[in-house]
Amino acid sequence: QSALTQPASVSGSPGQSITISCTGTSSDVGSYNLVSWYQQHPGKAPKLMIYEVSKRPSGVSNRFSGSKSGNTASLTISGLQAEDEADYYCCSYAGSSTFEGVFGGGTKLTVL
Amino acid sequence: QVQLVQSGAEVKKPGASVKVSCKASGYTFTGYYMHWVRQAPGQGLEWMGRINPNSGGTNYAQKFQGRVTMTRDTSISTAYMELSRLRSDDTAVYYCARDQSYGGSLSFDYWGQGTLVTVSS
Repeated sequence: QSALTQPASVSGSPGQSITISCTGTSSDVGSYNLVSWYQQHPGKAPKLMIYEVSKRPSGVSNRFSGSKSGNTASLTISGLQAEDEADYYCCSYAGSSTFEGVFGGGTKLTVL
Repeated sequence: QVQLVQSGAEVKKPGASVKVSCKASGYTFTGYYMHWVRQAPGQGLEWMGRINPNSGGTNYAQKFQGRVTMTRDTSISTAYMELSRLRSDDTAVYYCARDQSYGGSLSFDYWGQGTLVTVSS
């Protein structure tokens, strides 16, 4: 199973909005609403930010939102803050005959 | 509060095996799938597989089929991941992560602190 495709890096200024894309295929992102997004700061474990495409866990800021169109899922962060600078990973269900998951390659977000 | 506490760092020689533990507390261990995810130095996250702590049933990523074994001991609320025939490119931080959805939706709400496995001759 090939990794999902994410841009290597994105950047934005405080207060702006950015969107990170996550492109898969009709066998994963395109077929299932089981896309999640994780934020990871250096040396830390990842943190769940979005699950099932657009649901936000309790405690996660409403500045984070998720969506999907076709084979591409997206994470949008509005009102950028310095603490949003981190790596972001998408994850999707990719199973057909058996349960399997796949992550994206990760995107480094820089807050200018 | 929910906690996942993993075993300590390991150094192994190529060809050896490693077994990493993940002790859960603060919730019903048998009620949630446990997944294993690894991250090589400076690289991204990689899904390895999952175990149903209730039944012991497992699903492994195709890449690790034949080399990985996930087990659990419900009496001590601990999940294990054993990787055999280690190679240098298995050097990574290995995480256990709880799936918040009963059916398993790849939404990991709690993570262990990570276990660094170094494979070197």
